[in-house]
Formats: sequence, structure tokens, C-alpha cells
Amino acid sequence: AQSVTQLDSQVPVFEEAPVELRCNYSSSVSVYLFWYVQYPNQGLQLLLKYLSGSTLVKGINGFEAEFNKSQTSFHLRKPSVHISDTAEYFCAVTFYGQNFVFGPGTRLSVLP
Amino acid sequence: DVKVTQSSRYLVKRTGEKVFLECVQDMDHENMFWYRQDPGLGLRLIYFSYDVKMKEKGDIPEGYSVSREKKERFSLILESASTNQTSMYLCASSLWWGTSGYEQFFGPGTRLTVL
Repeated sequence: AQSVTQLDSQVPVFEEAPVELRCNYSSSVSVYLFWYVQYPNQGLQLLLKYLSGSTLVKGINGFEAEFNKSQTSFHLRKPSVHISDTAEYFCAVTFYGQNFVFGPGTRLSVLP
Repeated sequence: DVKVTQSSRYLVKRTGEKVFLECVQDMDHENMFWYRQDPGLGLRLIYFSYDVKMKEKGDIPEGYSVSREKKERFSLILESASTNQTSMYLCASSLWWGTSGYEQFFGPGTRLTVL
């Protein structure tokens, strides 16, 4: 069975600093990987996804993630965060024809 | 843009009441999903449907049922609400698996409180 781990439940960071949100998954087969963001009192919005090809994936709002098959990781990064990036971030994994498995989420707080 | 709407943003019900949560999508998606979201647990799949009148149990179906009479509408039913069903409920839809990168589109959520 697949599972997703997000080791950091909360990440505080100062505005304009870089941030990395970690995601590790366990699966015996090839997977597809996603990062979603949830702003307060809203649903989830897709940030980026990895299906195949280049392991460095660029998404919306300046975020990017790198797929590392050997380490079964898909960490999310942004070189300079803004106050508006304060939100909860979810990593999710699926493989062909199956449902998503979501991680527990990481709450990013950007401080002035 | 894909739009997924949910009938209520906030709902307060009493223990034992029958509760209906409605979800509508406007992009002709085959798949529809109901999740519940609880702090520290992420999203857990309750039920999903890949076609009209078809439904499959997810990871936590106990205490819930669903209905999909039309392609665009997917309803979640709590037959007899209990306090442990107090949660945020999220609906999502997607194209059939194998198309368009499997992305799921989410509604704004319904925060249900059972007293």
C-alpha cells in the first residue's frame, strides 16, 4: 500500500527567506506526485505535479519540486516566500488508475 | 475553469439527524470523490464514483453513504449524524484515470459541526 509522509507539521519562516517542505512516499510501483495548497477556509488548489520526464517540476506562484526516485522524495521549494504563501500544503501520490493518497499536511507560516 | 461547488460552507446539525451534503461540478468529469479533512490526518477518502449510479468505498466509509444520479452531482449522506463526524468535508472531481494527468479539482469544503 502507498503512504505519504510529511515530516514537518508546521514550518515558520520569515518573509523573503527560502523554504523547503518535505514529502516522502512509499510505493513499490511507479507513482505520480502532486502538491496542493489550501488557503484558509478554501478548498485545495493544485501547485504542481510530476507525471514523467524532467525530475524538476515548476508550478504556480514560484514553487518548484524535485522528484528523487532513489530517495522516494518529492520536496517542495520556493527561493523567497511572501506573506501570501501562508497556507497548508499537501503532498499526494497516486499510480495509474488508482486514487490519491494524501499526506497529513504542512502548515507554512510566513512571518513579517 | 473547472468549478466544483458545495451546497453549504458551514452546517450545524444535531446528533441523530440525517445530513445531506451536495456537490456539483460543471466540467463533465467522470470521477467524483468525497473526503473528510481532520487536523494532522490530511484528507481521507470516504467514497468515490467513476460513473452515474456507480460508487466505491474509500478508506473510511462507515457511517456514510453516497448517491450519484446525474453525472455532475455527487451527494454524501450521513444517515444518523454523530459527534465524531464533525469535520471538514471536501468534494473533488477529475477526468477518467489515464487522461489529463489525473488532477483532482476541489470544492471549497463544508465545515460540519454535529452537536
